Amino acid sequence: DIVMTQTPLSSPVTLGQPASISCRSSQSLVHSDGNTYLSWLQQRPGQPPRLLIYKISNRFSGVPDRFSGSGAGTDFTLKISRVEAEDVGVYYCMQATQLWTFGQGTKVEIK
Amino acid sequence: EVQLLESGGGLVQPGGSLRLSCAASGFTFSTYAMSWVRQAPGKGLEWVSAISTSGDATYDADSVRGRFTISRDNSKNTLYLQMNSLRAEDTAVYYCATLLGWVVPDYWGQGTLVTVSS
Repeated sequence: DIVMTQTPLSSPVTLGQPASISCRSSQSLVHSDGNTYLSWLQQRPGQPPRLLIYKISNRFSGVPDRFSGSGAGTDFTLKISRVEAEDVGVYYCMQATQLWTFGQGTKVEIK
Repeated sequence: EVQLLESGGGLVQPGGSLRLSCAASGFTFSTYAMSWVRQAPGKGLEWVSAISTSGDATYDADSVRGRFTISRDNSKNTLYLQMNSLRAEDTAVYYCATLLGWVVPDYWGQGTLVTVSS
């Protein structure tokens, strides 16, 4: 099974400042079809998860451009260029290269 | 607008059974793989089961294999999760989610709470 490890687990940030979350997989997420199936999801308090990014860096419909994803192989990053109050919540990476596995989640809160 | 509405959750005793449903609308249900993901109280997300567009292929997490069965009725635009031999550790909010191409979890329902307790 592929294990997904996120760091940090908690990220206090100042409004308007950037935030960054790392996600590392226990093995390469490059699929035999050449794609890398790494997604990022956001879960606001009391809400279901919401897809932000898929295939490393593709923003889903309606996602603000302050969210961006990058990485390759086993190391991936989600960046928020300028944190807004509505960005508070827990962020999960998820791999779908070999079945599906989530990271533990990173809580983003305002300082 | 894509909508996924889960139902069927509730309180059940250990060893009991429950059947969850997920009614889909706003998209062509039969063209999407579907999945169930759960979240124990205060915990992270755990993938449970997934099913292909036609229902002929299913995958289950080790933690539920042999106890849970995922199925779908494309004529009713509905996804199901039959849960048997329930344990306390199955207590969670269960979400249904679309799986575009088996790999993109693009839409999620609001979830239904399952509590296993005596």
